[in-house]
Amino acid sequence: DQQVKQNSPSLSVQEGRISILNCDYTNSMFDYFLWYKKYPAEGPTFLISISSIKDKNEDGRFTVFLNKSAKHLSLHIVPSQPGDSAVYFCAVPGGDSNYQLIWGAGTKLIIKP
Amino acid sequence: DTGVSQNPRHKITKRGQNVTFRCDPISEHNRLYWYRQTLGQGPEFLTYFQNEAQLEKSRLLSDRFSAERPKGSFSTLEIQRTEQGDSAMYLCASSLRVGSREQYFGPGTRLTVT
Repeated sequence: DQQVKQNSPSLSVQEGRISILNCDYTNSMFDYFLWYKKYPAEGPTFLISISSIKDKNEDGRFTVFLNKSAKHLSLHIVPSQPGDSAVYFCAVPGGDSNYQLIWGAGTKLIIKP
Repeated sequence: DTGVSQNPRHKITKRGQNVTFRCDPISEHNRLYWYRQTLGQGPEFLTYFQNEAQLEKSRLLSDRFSAERPKGSFSTLEIQRTEQGDSAMYLCASSLRVGSREQYFGPGTRLTVT
């Protein structure tokens, strides 16, 4: 039973346009959400996070939106750049200790020049 | 800040052999995590340490897997009697303090069992 779902395996966006990556979760008790970016043959890199007490967090070109009633979060990248081409994962602290991260399957973002 | 390092980066082994991976976390981080990632999936939690204490283990972690963090600094993950299903990327991460949710990852060790 997947607790964190990223339903789009891939997304292709023109350079300079907005990229929107989506993530759904099932457990209403989750209270913190993270986005990671992963290049091939590298470990995931932390990008941005949001607490459940907020509905938006912004860091430069990256903004995460949280809709608690829909159990949905999204990552917006504006403007998209070629270096943004990577796999993006959403992750949630959970498990017995609330320290392990529970991950979605990832969305591969391709930025077209 | 030198980041999390992992060695080796790649390991090819024959089925039935034992392998050991090492992780060096960011120096001031007291929490250390191991994950496993297979193609097309997100990482799966294996185990986590706070200092030298192993506080949580996943049901995924069979008896063939053992992890240690003897002095609360680097950690090792050993897989005994490897199976082809153990082929994956093994990721190590660390985090700083109580209440910090962000984990910082190393480059991973790619294990191939032939």
